[in-house]
Amino acid sequence: ETGVTQTPRHLVMGMTNKKSLKCEQHLGHNAMYWYKQSAKKPLELMFVYSLEERVENNSVPSRFSPECPNSSHLFLHLHTLQPEDSALYLCASSLQTTAGETQYFGPGTRLLVL
Amino acid sequence: QKEVEQDPGPLSVPEGAIVSLNCTYSNSAFQYFMWYRQYSRKGPELLMYTYSSGNKEDGRFTAQVDKSSKYISLFIRDSQPSDSATYLCAMSAPGAGNNRKLIWGLGTSLAVNP
Repeated sequence: ETGVTQTPRHLVMGMTNKKSLKCEQHLGHNAMYWYKQSAKKPLELMFVYSLEERVENNSVPSRFSPECPNSSHLFLHLHTLQPEDSALYLCASSLQTTAGETQYFGPGTRLLVL
Repeated sequence: QKEVEQDPGPLSVPEGAIVSLNCTYSNSAFQYFMWYRQYSRKGPELLMYTYSSGNKEDGRFTAQVDKSSKYISLFIRDSQPSDSATYLCAMSAPGAGNNRKLIWGLGTSLAVNP
């Protein structure tokens, strides 16, 4: 397996469910990111981790809870989501979090909240 | 005013055409300019990267940055059906904290018809 992988690729959940999204990077990078991609909106940065420490949290509702147990793995725990949370959730990684660093993306998890 | 403006299209061209994709921005501190390509059901992948002003060419692709006009362009020569995708511009400023965050355009949907 190479690059950035995400599981599951598709997820349908009810508003009372709890689920987790998983991301794994095989690039030896030190930084990982969660983005939300919705129709007619630019990519929204949700969380940034650098060397397993959260360095950014962009006013994301608490129903989204990230976890970074090591520099290769990133999780996004979901609970009591709303229909407006339906979107493509993208994970990315980069060597560091310095300005201009190239980010490498996974294929995303397409989430539908009913 | 949005920090980065990009016409979402869709743009439809015949095979072999020259395609011009553009973004404008308002933050004069931006120094790093990127074009990502996103195929359907995939994550974005870096296509072109330019630091500061000038042109960069890679095969059929040319990226231009005009900092005086706060305008960046991506040209695709001899376009192919395999170029059909969404093209996203992204940019950031040097420094730490929020400055280094990538700011994204909406993405332009391109269809190249055989």
